[in-house]
Amino acid sequence: DQQVKQNSPSLSVQEGRISILNCDYTNSMFDYFLWYKKYPAEGPTFLISISSIKDKNEDGRFTVFLNKSAKHLSLHIVPSQPGDSAVYFCAASAYNQGGKLIFGQGTELSVKP
Amino acid sequence: DAGVIQSPRHEVTEMGQEVTLRCKPISGHDYLFWYRQTMMRGLELLIYFNNNVPIDDSGMPEDRFSAKMPNASFSTLKIQPSEPRDSAVYFCASSLWQGANEQYFGPGTRLTVT
Repeated sequence: DQQVKQNSPSLSVQEGRISILNCDYTNSMFDYFLWYKKYPAEGPTFLISISSIKDKNEDGRFTVFLNKSAKHLSLHIVPSQPGDSAVYFCAASAYNQGGKLIFGQGTELSVKP
Repeated sequence: DAGVIQSPRHEVTEMGQEVTLRCKPISGHDYLFWYRQTMMRGLELLIYFNNNVPIDDSGMPEDRFSAKMPNASFSTLKIQPSEPRDSAVYFCASSLWQGANEQYFGPGTRLTVT
């Protein structure tokens, strides 16, 4: 039972354009969402997060949008840079369920020069 | 701080052998997590500890898997006996507190069971 799903295993974008990575979840108890970025042979690193009381959070080139009614969140990267090429994991947690993170399968982003 | 340290970085073993993965969390972090990454399921939480005590091991796939945290600076994940389907990348992560806060991941151990 995959509570957090990233249905696109890969995405290719031209440098300078927008990258949009999507994530769907099924558990309505989730109240905090995070995006992690992973380079090859390294562990995931935290990128950006959003609480369920918000619908948008922005940090530089990265913006996360949350649509609670659709149980959907997305990560926008504008403008995309070749250094953004990595695997992006969506994660969710529910405070009343121990707060542990539930991760999606990941989406591999390739930004071409 | 050196970050979360994992060893070995790569492990190749034969089916039936015992495998032990090691983790040193960031000093001062109270929570330690063990994850497994596969293509099909992404990052799965196996078990996590708070102050060296196992809190939730519901993600441990079966009895062949066990994890210990004898002190605040060391944890092991053991697979005995190992099987080819255990081949994956195993990550250790630590955090100051659970869940919603940022978790810091180690570089992972790539396990191959032949």
